[in-house]
This record gives sequence, C-alpha cells and structure tokens, in this order.
Amino acid sequence: NAGVTQTPKFRILKIGQSMTLQCTQDMNHNYMYWYRQDPGMGLKLIYYSVGAGITDKGEVPNGYNVSRSTTEDFPLRLELAAPSQTSVYFCASSYGERGEQYFGPGTRLTVT
Amino acid sequence: QKEVEQNSGPLSVPEGAIASLNCTYSDRGSQSFFWYRQYSGKSPELIMFIYSNGDKEDGRFTAQLNKASQYVSLLIRDSQPSDSATYLCAVTMLLGAGGTSYGKLTFGQGTILTVHP
Repeated sequence: NAGVTQTPKFRILKIGQSMTLQCTQDMNHNYMYWYRQDPGMGLKLIYYSVGAGITDKGEVPNGYNVSRSTTEDFPLRLELAAPSQTSVYFCASSYGERGEQYFGPGTRLTVT
Repeated sequence: QKEVEQNSGPLSVPEGAIASLNCTYSDRGSQSFFWYRQYSGKSPELIMFIYSNGDKEDGRFTAQLNKASQYVSLLIRDSQPSDSATYLCAVTMLLGAGGTSYGKLTFGQGTILTVHP
C-alpha cells in the first residue's frame, strides 16, 4: 500500500503559467481533499471530493480547479499561476466524511 | 474565537518526561478528533484519533476527549528526542447535505514540541 502519493515534489512556475498537481491514493477511499499550507500557518482546504464525479469548493478555491474521474485520482489544476499561490500543497483522503484523513508527502510550489 | 485552539508553545520537555498537549474547539457539533504530528518539511502524520468521551491509549500516546468541556488532549509518555515535532490538533465537523456532505477538518495552529536529551 503506497497510501497517498503526489507528484511533483517540487516545482517552480513563472507568473501566468499553468500546471497540474497529481494526487493518487490506493486505499479505495471515497473522500479526497486538497490543502495548502503557507509558512507558519495552518492548513487551508482548497477543494474536496466525495466520490468520482463529485467535487466542491473549500475555503480558498480561487485560482484552482479540480476533477475526479476515478476513485484513485484527484488532480489539482492551477490555470494562471500567481505569487500568492506559492505554498506547500497536500492531498489527503479518507473513508467516509468522519474518517481520519491521510496525507500525501506534499508538493512545494514556488511562483516567481 | 478560533475554531480550534492549541496551547501556545513552544513546549520543551526532558527526555523521559510526559509531554502534555491541549486543544479546545468551539463547535459543539464536532464529531471526530485527531492528533497529527508534522516534522519540519514533511506532511502531517496521523498519530491518534478519538470519537468518544474518555481516554484512548496507543503505545506511549494517550488521547483524552471531554465533549462537555470541548477539550481534547494528547499525552506523550517517556518522551524521546524523535518526538520533537509540531503537533496539530484537528477536529471534524460535518458540513453540506445529502450526497455532498463532507467532513470539514479544521486544524489548530500547532504546538512545537522539543524533547531535549
């Protein structure tokens, strides 16, 4: 069991570029989440999904998009990168809405 | 008032001592309670979860929940230098309705624990 995996580990983007952060889980969890964590700050929810084909916004969705075509994958898309999106991005998954969430290793993104 | 508040750190304890970490939450509808450990530059790692009032023990870790007081704590017995990390308290509330309800996991700001030899 690999758990939750994320790629890439690190990325530097120029302002206005786009990219997709990949997230895959092999635990057959129906719920998946994307968080960002800024230095010295807590985790903020960007988007979540309760199952394939169903996604919804979290606290800080502006500038991001998601899709969920399979149970395993939950990619996060940045369309027009801005310096404010410099952060560490974590994907997480859980079995059920009350269940404990397991986190991937994170993607460290810098936008310059 | 913050939704989830942790005791301010940093907390420093000698090796072998008990480290006590505390957390209060504001929403009485909160249903699930978690403690995560986060090493610098790493992702949060789940170490304990508790759903019911009382104590739950797992090895050197004990989580305590008191819903009436809206209080969660984590005790680490026989603290080791490898326990040095930021500890995050997290609380789940159910939001949404019908097929798109989800567990909103709200994190506290974290308490930095240092265990010195």
